[in-house]
Amino acid sequence: AQKITQTQPGMFVQEKEAVTLDCTYDTSDPSYGLFWYKQPSSGEMIFLIYQGSYDQQNATEGRYSLNFQKARKSANLVISASQLGDSAMYFCAMREGKEYGNKLVFGAGTILRVKS
Amino acid sequence: GAVVSQHPSRVICKSGTSVKIECRSLDFQATTMFWYRQFPKQSLMLMATSNEGSKATYEQGVEKDKFLINHASLTLSTLTVTSAHPEDSSFYICSAREVGKGTDTQYFGPGTRLTVL
Repeated sequence: AQKITQTQPGMFVQEKEAVTLDCTYDTSDPSYGLFWYKQPSSGEMIFLIYQGSYDQQNATEGRYSLNFQKARKSANLVISASQLGDSAMYFCAMREGKEYGNKLVFGAGTILRVKS
Repeated sequence: GAVVSQHPSRVICKSGTSVKIECRSLDFQATTMFWYRQFPKQSLMLMATSNEGSKATYEQGVEKDKFLINHASLTLSTLTVTSAHPEDSSFYICSAREVGKGTDTQYFGPGTRLTVL
């Protein structure tokens, strides 16, 4: 079974509007972390936001917020006030506990295109 | 965030030669680094986990004799692709794990694009 599922291969959003990128995960480990990374065409992976499984509040970092629905096992990324520079591939990733080697497991990614 | 460098950014080599890629954490110490491979328009595939001072842990299906990993210090890990062949052409990207001060995050290098002719 896929541990991280990103169901949207591609998304379009109008500049200045908000967009939600979906991510669902599957784990039986009570201790895990969820990450979002941005990968522009240059290839670098840019860390955006982190949510721990025990965190009570949704994580926020500037224009990025993570809509963490633990019971639904979803960790959607919300980008507010989209900018042209937000056009990139976005990956959701999960890190499980020590017994899993602290490895990150990535979803397939979502390509976001911001239209002017 | 923390900075991870990777060198070279791009390399073209002949089939049969070996290529070494360096991954450095510039402003923090990383006891654990990770090596990934990414094919065009695909996600990152973990190849191995590199632990400072010990042998790397390879993922299933990754040939450890072909992809040699050395993590000699807390800021440097190297990946050597031995006897490279065209099918090894790919984007290789490393990450370094920063732990401490309430954080436990992986930061990625800019990647190395390998082309084997």
